[in-house]
Amino acid sequence: EDQVTQSPEALRLQEGESSSLNCSYTVSGLRGLFWYRQDPGKGPEFLFTLYSAGEEKEKERLKATLTKKESFLHITAPKPEDSATYLCAVFQGGSEKLVFGKGTKLTVNP
Amino acid sequence: DADVTQTPRNRITKTGKRIMLECSQTKGHDRMYWYRQDPGLGLRLIYYSFDVKDINKGEISDGYSVSRQAQAKFSLSLESAIPNQTALYFCATSETGTGYGYTFGSGTRLTVV
Repeated sequence: EDQVTQSPEALRLQEGESSSLNCSYTVSGLRGLFWYRQDPGKGPEFLFTLYSAGEEKEKERLKATLTKKESFLHITAPKPEDSATYLCAVFQGGSEKLVFGKGTKLTVNP
Repeated sequence: DADVTQTPRNRITKTGKRIMLECSQTKGHDRMYWYRQDPGLGLRLIYYSFDVKDINKGEISDGYSVSRQAQAKFSLSLESAIPNQTALYFCATSETGTGYGYTFGSGTRLTVV
């Protein structure tokens, strides 16, 4: 069964303290791994799509990387406004439906 | 205006009542989805539609029904609401084809008392 597992479930950082979030996946024939940011009570907001191992994407303090089994979302020198839940998702094998991980709730303290 | 608009934003209803959540989009996408989100369970797919005449059940469709009135409109109904349907509901859209991500609405917070 296709699975997406995110770790840790929650992460607290001090402002400026860099870290990484993990998304491991098991799916046959990856057709895209997606990262979303979700603020409380709001819809997920698209961040990145990665398609092949070795690919990297960057946006401000965020950098997403992809291997054959997992993806990392690296956060460099985070600020309090980076506090949110970060979701990753992959296309379910043999279908065109996204399956989501449960997310990592990131809190950045000033 | 938002690309994907959900109404209402918040709703409190009583057990046994019928309720409809509405979604409209200006993205021009053919594909539309309904998800619910619960703490600790993440986003789970209720129904999806790849075009106006194509509607499919997701992993948790029991107790729900949908209607695709037009390319831009996709409604979710709870025929007889029950308390464990209390959740945050999201509509999403995507382009046709492989590899396109979803655009989400702002959600409807539904409470069934």
